Amino acid sequence: EAGVTQFPSHSVIEKGQTVTLRCDPISGHDNLYWYRRVMGKEIKFLLHFVKESKQDESGMPNNRFLAERTGGTYSTLKVQPAELEDSGVYFCASSQPGLGSYEQYFGPGTRLTVT
Amino acid sequence: SQQGEEDPQALSIQEGENATMNCSYKTSINNLQWYRQNSGRGLVHLILIRSNEREKHSGRLRVTLDTSKKSSSLLITASRAADTASYFCATTEYGNKLVFGAGTILRVKS
Repeated sequence: EAGVTQFPSHSVIEKGQTVTLRCDPISGHDNLYWYRRVMGKEIKFLLHFVKESKQDESGMPNNRFLAERTGGTYSTLKVQPAELEDSGVYFCASSQPGLGSYEQYFGPGTRLTVT
Repeated sequence: SQQGEEDPQALSIQEGENATMNCSYKTSINNLQWYRQNSGRGLVHLILIRSNEREKHSGRLRVTLDTSKKSSSLLITASRAADTASYFCATTEYGNKLVFGAGTILRVKS
């Protein structure tokens, strides 16, 4: 079974540019989560999809961040325009359907560097 | 929101020794999980302990939970060089989103 994949693994962009991160969850996993770890800080929740619907986007830092999951399969996270403080590692995770499915399967992350 | 806090921040031990990491949290929980992250990789789920459990074992891992003290510990016995990684505790909030602690960096020297 293929795991969660993320693309790109690393992105370096200039302040003000746009970047789109992609996450492909494990097939059949309805739940998809985005997290990020800013340098030296905790891993923080960004948002949660159930299929194509946003279940919880309380962790999204501001309106420069836009997440989509069209068709309920892969998800994208766009940052536009990027700021220096957006640098960090962005993780995607997926889990099986059902409220009792607590274990989340993480992708390797995308390291975003904004210069 | 609650946050788990890990203690120590970094731990360096010799291969074969035991490693103990602690985690504290602030609010009531349904369960607590431990994850491992190897350098450059994603997080890997290690073990989940429910709020009505006090201890759980999985291979060389032993997790304890003390809900009265709002704390948990992860013990890795007979450590190996391959156990070198960052370890995070995480509690589950609404919608199963995870709230992570800052993590403990474990280095096992061979």
